[in-house]
Amino acid sequence: QVQLQESGPGLVKPSETLSLTCTVSGGSISKYYWSWIRQPPGKALQWIGYVYYSGSTSYNPSLKSRVTISVDTSKNQLSLKLNSVTAADTAVYYCARGTLGVYHYYMDVWGKGATVTVPS
Amino acid sequence: SSELTQDPAVSVGLGQTVRITCQGDSIRNYYAGWYQQKPGQAPLLVMYAINNRPSGIPDRFSGSRSGDTASLTITGAQAEDEADYYCNSRDRSGDHVLFGGGTKLTVL
Repeated sequence: QVQLQESGPGLVKPSETLSLTCTVSGGSISKYYWSWIRQPPGKALQWIGYVYYSGSTSYNPSLKSRVTISVDTSKNQLSLKLNSVTAADTAVYYCARGTLGVYHYYMDVWGKGATVTVPS
Repeated sequence: SSELTQDPAVSVGLGQTVRITCQGDSIRNYYAGWYQQKPGQAPLLVMYAINNRPSGIPDRFSGSRSGDTASLTITGAQAEDEADYYCNSRDRSGDHVLFGGGTKLTVL
C-alpha cells in the first residue's frame, strides 16, 4: 500500500524559501504525476503543480514564478520549493499521487499534510 | 472561464439523496474527480472519470456529467458522509489542474 509523507520546516520567515519533501513508500514513484496541493486555513484546495517521474513539470500559473517541483527517483522522493513567501502562503501542504489521462487528472493517494506557517 | 464553481453549502436529510455540482467550461472536455475531506484529514478520492469509484468507496456514491456540469450524487446519505467535497479537472488548455471551491455537506 502506497503511503506518502510530507516533511519540512513548520515555520518559514517572510521572503525566505519554503522547502518540503514528500517520501513515497510502499510503491514506485515511476509512471505517475506527483502533485503538491495546499490549503490555507478555512479555505479551499489549491493545486500548486505536478512532476512526472521523468522530471517534466506543470505549475499553477498563479504560482509559477515562485515554484520549483522536482523528483528524485533514487530516493523515491519529490520536493517543493516556494520562494519569497508571505503570510498568504501559510497553509497545509499536501503531496498526492496523480494519474494523467487524455480526459482527466485525478489524485488517488494523499499524504497527511504538513502545516507551514509564515508569520506576518 | 478557467474556474470550477461549486455551491458553498448543501444539506440533506439522513437517508435522502443529494447532488453536489461542479460547473466550469473545462468540464465540457475533461472528466471531474471528486474528493471528500473531513475536518483535520487529507482529501479522499471518491469518484473519478465521471462515474468510477475507487476501491472501498460505497456504491451510494455515483457521478455524472451534463454539458459543463459534473455531479456527485449520494443516494441514501449517511451521517459519515458529512464533509467538504471538492471537484477537480484539467483546465481548458489541458496543461494545468483546477479545484472547485468546495461544498460543505451537512447531513441532518
